[in-house]
Amino acid sequence: EPEVTQTPSHQVTQMGQEVILRCVPISNHLYFYWYRQILGQKVEFLVSFYNNEISEKSEIFDDQFSVERPDGSNFTLKIRSTKLEDSAMYFCASRGTSGGYNEQFFGPGTRLTVL
Amino acid sequence: QKEVEQDPGPLSVPEGAIVSLNCTYSNSAFQYFMWYRQYSRKGPELLMYTYSSGNKEDGRFTAQVDKSSKYISLFIRDSQPSDSATYLCASPSSNTGKLIFGQGTTLQVKP
Repeated sequence: EPEVTQTPSHQVTQMGQEVILRCVPISNHLYFYWYRQILGQKVEFLVSFYNNEISEKSEIFDDQFSVERPDGSNFTLKIRSTKLEDSAMYFCASRGTSGGYNEQFFGPGTRLTVL
Repeated sequence: QKEVEQDPGPLSVPEGAIVSLNCTYSNSAFQYFMWYRQYSRKGPELLMYTYSSGNKEDGRFTAQVDKSSKYISLFIRDSQPSDSATYLCASPSSNTGKLIFGQGTTLQVKP
């Protein structure tokens, strides 16, 4: 069964460092998303991506964040200068475009710890 | 006002009990309503979804939506220890399909 994969599973970084979180969406999906979940809080939408551009972003997704689909299979989230409050689980999701409702499939997440 | 609200629990029940999980939402434009299950340190997994008002049943799970009161429910019959997880209600809120999640209710089913 196709699945969304994410690497690394856990990333530890120092405040101010850049991190890149990687995702491989399901191969025939065209919509891609990043969400984050701070410990004990709700899953929050960060950004959606379609047709090689951002289609929507939340207030959280400021200039420190960027997304890219560099090679037609990977989908990355970059945080340029990490802050302590960026520590969270980051989930990638993708969905297809067949008729009717299209389920978003989530990856297992990357736990980001900023020290 | 939060768009989707959910009591975080935790909720603890004995095996075999009927579980009722609930959410409220504020946006009248919401049409689809999802229930996701999330095991510890894993990504959310879609359990089932409903469109507009009504009921939908899938095995031991029944999802119910009442749009007049903006109330969403998930019922689990004959609960099992393997049902122990966090249950998230969600709704897509725009054309991009972004999901708005509730806080999640943590359920523990004790053998």
